[in-house]
Amino acid sequence: DVQLLESGGALVLPGGSLRLSCGVSGFSFSSYAMSWVRQAPGKGLVWVSGVTSGGDTTYYADSVKGRFTISRDNSKNTLYLQMNGLRAEDTAVYYCAKDKDKSYSLDFIRLDSWGQGTLVIVSS
Amino acid sequence: DIQMTQSPSSLSASVGDRVTITCQASQDITKFLNWYQQKPGKAPKLLIYDTSNLETGVPSRFSGSGSGTDFTFTISSLQPEDIATYYCQQYDKLPVTFGPGTTVDIK
Repeated sequence: DVQLLESGGALVLPGGSLRLSCGVSGFSFSSYAMSWVRQAPGKGLVWVSGVTSGGDTTYYADSVKGRFTISRDNSKNTLYLQMNGLRAEDTAVYYCAKDKDKSYSLDFIRLDSWGQGTLVIVSS
Repeated sequence: DIQMTQSPSSLSASVGDRVTITCQASQDITKFLNWYQQKPGKAPKLLIYDTSNLETGVPSRFSGSGSGTDFTFTISSLQPEDIATYYCQQYDKLPVTFGPGTTVDIK
């Protein structure tokens, strides 16, 4: 079975940093692009960032560009999201999600498996 | 960025009713449109990809259609377990964007 498990969510002060991790199993991690999607309390889904299967290409929503960094370690089957300069508006549940099909690009983002999410709260 | 809108924002229907949700993109996205279901406290689940393709294991009462800028998601016969929020998502251009969601409940 495909499994994704996020960790690293916490309460953090504005301006602080946090690194989220997403450990996966049940599929060939190095063959799939991956994404982070967040959901603020009571709000809708917002795609935050994506990374190609090889980790060579990344893309960010404007709201996090320059503050967040997505990366992956294919040898550890783990996806990361380094979040710096956190703001109150970054408060959300953060999901990692897997693309439906094997690909070397971010051209076909159809997210067929999701983790359970990890909660990030940015507050003083 | 491509903006996605959905209507209605919420609806209430009876078991067995046909339910239709529309999704509109701010520009032509051809058929690069997916639909997700999210139940309270749970992660989203991919139901339909590429406008009309049913994800494996998803009941056939769910369907999708459309192209260009206008898309439709249908539940042919609403079941109690379909209570959820439904989101459309385009992937024609990065960044991927989601619609604001449509909450479906039972009348």
